[in-house]
Parts: sequence; structure tokens; C-alpha cells
Amino acid sequence: DAKTTQPTSMDCAEGRAANLPCNHSTISGNEYVYWYRQIHSQGPQYIIHGLKNNETNEMASLIITEDRKSSTLILPHATLRDTAVYYCIVRERQTSYDKVIFGPGTSLSVIP
Amino acid sequence: NAGVTQTPKFQVLKTGQSMTLQCAQDMNHNSMYWYRQDPGMGLRLIYYSASEGTTDKGEVPNGYNVSRLNKREFSLRLESAAPSQTSVYFCASSDWITDGVLAKNIQYFGAGTRLSVL
Repeated sequence: DAKTTQPTSMDCAEGRAANLPCNHSTISGNEYVYWYRQIHSQGPQYIIHGLKNNETNEMASLIITEDRKSSTLILPHATLRDTAVYYCIVRERQTSYDKVIFGPGTSLSVIP
Repeated sequence: NAGVTQTPKFQVLKTGQSMTLQCAQDMNHNSMYWYRQDPGMGLRLIYYSASEGTTDKGEVPNGYNVSRLNKREFSLRLESAAPSQTSVYFCASSDWITDGVLAKNIQYFGAGTRLSVL
């Protein structure tokens, strides 16, 4: 599996944009980048995913570099409720299995 | 639409006891997963099932067994519980969907089972 590297923790002021980086330098051509977050002790929740183009939805934007070796999740106007652990995952699809590995993620603290 | 349901929500075991964690999904997904999460840590994959009738080991399978009973249900069994298995256990399900150009495979998680082994 391709592996990802994320900073352990980050702070962001409430109302400002939160930019969470992820390095996935060994990503292959048919692998997608997914982002999830986990608020407190709940189950993780999907945020967004992409292949090579930038993506935006109602929750966030995903910027993927042209070489696809890294990406950035952007929460445009962070609120206190965005305090969570954010996981960046590279998802591969095999014909016989679909193994998904989460790393330790980035703990984002949104500060009033 | 319940999504992914895990039972029980809480459990306390003594060392050496056995138990089965249940997981059921109502989204007709092919793939199901079991993760454990220790305090302050990320999720670690225990076992997964890419489709009904198949199971495979994840990162930390030792001490666990799984059964994909049917497409809906995926259970995790601890045959002889140890204190090191004290953790929060999450079940998830997913499937691939082609949505225009961008295919997607979103995992949906249950609320978790909090297990303490004394």
C-alpha cells in the first residue's frame, strides 16, 4: 500500500482557513486520495476524495499537486466543531481485495 | 436507514474470556472492515472482507478471528481476551461506485464498541 505522512498536530484560529498537508510520494497512477475526520471518539466520517484534479464539496476543498505526491485539505472557514483528527488515506483497488490503512492522522485544534 | 450497527456498545471482560463483536450494515456493501483504536492512536486494521465469503488479515490480526456470515454481517471474535486487547473497535463497510469520471469508495463507520479487558 502507498503510505501517507501527515503532521501530528496543527492549530487554526476560528474563522480562518485550515490547511492540512499530506505527503504520499509513492502513490501510483490508479490510486485515489481520501480524507476522513474523527470527532472525539466517534467513528471516522468521509470528507472528500480525488484522483488528480482539485475537488470541492460542501465540507472542504482538496488540492492535489501535479505530480500527485502530496495534497492539501482546506477547510475554508474553520469552526470549533472542526476540531478533530484528520486522516489522509491513499486508496488502491485490487481485483481480489480492498485493503484500507489509516495512519495516525493530524489532530487539528480550532482555537477561539 | 441505520447504516452500520455495532453491538454491544460497551463490554468488560476478564482475561481469558471470549466474546464476539457484531456488525451489520444495511447499505448492500460488498466490503466490510474491523479496526481497533487505542487511546491517542489512529485506527489499525484487524481484518477485512472484500466480498461475501472472503476474509483477509489486516495490520494486527493476532488474537482475533472473523466471520463474514452473509453480505450484511461481519463479526469479530476474541477467543481468549487479553488486557492488550482493551480498545475501541470500529466496524466499517464500503463499496465502489462510479460517479461520472471519479469513482469512489467511501467507508461508513459504526459508533464503535468500547472493550475493557481486566
